[in-house]
Amino acid sequence: DVKVTQSSRYLVKRTGEKVFLECVQDMDHENMFWYRQDPGLGLRLIYFSYDVKMKEKGDIPEGYSVSREKKERFSLILESASTNQTSMYLCASSLLSKLAGDRYFGPGTRLTVL
Amino acid sequence: GESVGLHLPTLSVQEGDNSIINCAYSNSASDYFIWYKQESGKGPQFIIDIRSNMDKRQGQRVTVLLNKTVKHLSLQIAATQPGDSAVYFCAANTGNQFYFGTGTSLTVIP
Repeated sequence: DVKVTQSSRYLVKRTGEKVFLECVQDMDHENMFWYRQDPGLGLRLIYFSYDVKMKEKGDIPEGYSVSREKKERFSLILESASTNQTSMYLCASSLLSKLAGDRYFGPGTRLTVL
Repeated sequence: GESVGLHLPTLSVQEGDNSIINCAYSNSASDYFIWYKQESGKGPQFIIDIRSNMDKRQGQRVTVLLNKTVKHLSLQIAATQPGDSAVYFCAANTGNQFYFGTGTSLTVIP
């Protein structure tokens, strides 16, 4: 079974702090994604990566950056956390094209910024 | 772009009954659709997909129907079980982007 793990299930940070969310997949997938999930809104793509050291902006990249130094690991960075970044963050990976439906999601990190 | 919406935010069904969850999309160029299930405390899980050249696709106890004329798709779950309680949402692929709906929370009453 494909396994996508996220470093924390729950995280509480203060405004202005630098926050790292880590995601690791164990199936040698090329593509990795970061989404945020908010009540009343569908999943929104923040960033994705289709190869090591490659990244592309999604729909809402502002206030976020990413790092993919190794194939299995994709990190989401909040340079200076703000209260409007309180959300559920979901990481996903896929083997095929980023268009395909074989997206495997991690359990999510619920981030609260105070 | 695309907007994807589900018709009901919540749905309650009796165990053993069939469930129907609906989704509408706005862009007629959308050509690929996926249904996800998200259980409490877990990430979304792929259930079934359908391409725009099909009207219907069946899986194990699930059927997806696509009506391109009215830009609507539905997920039917046969003989709903307590383990089916979750949030269900659809996603539509348009161009090089996936757009996700907000989700319908299904509660199965024993």
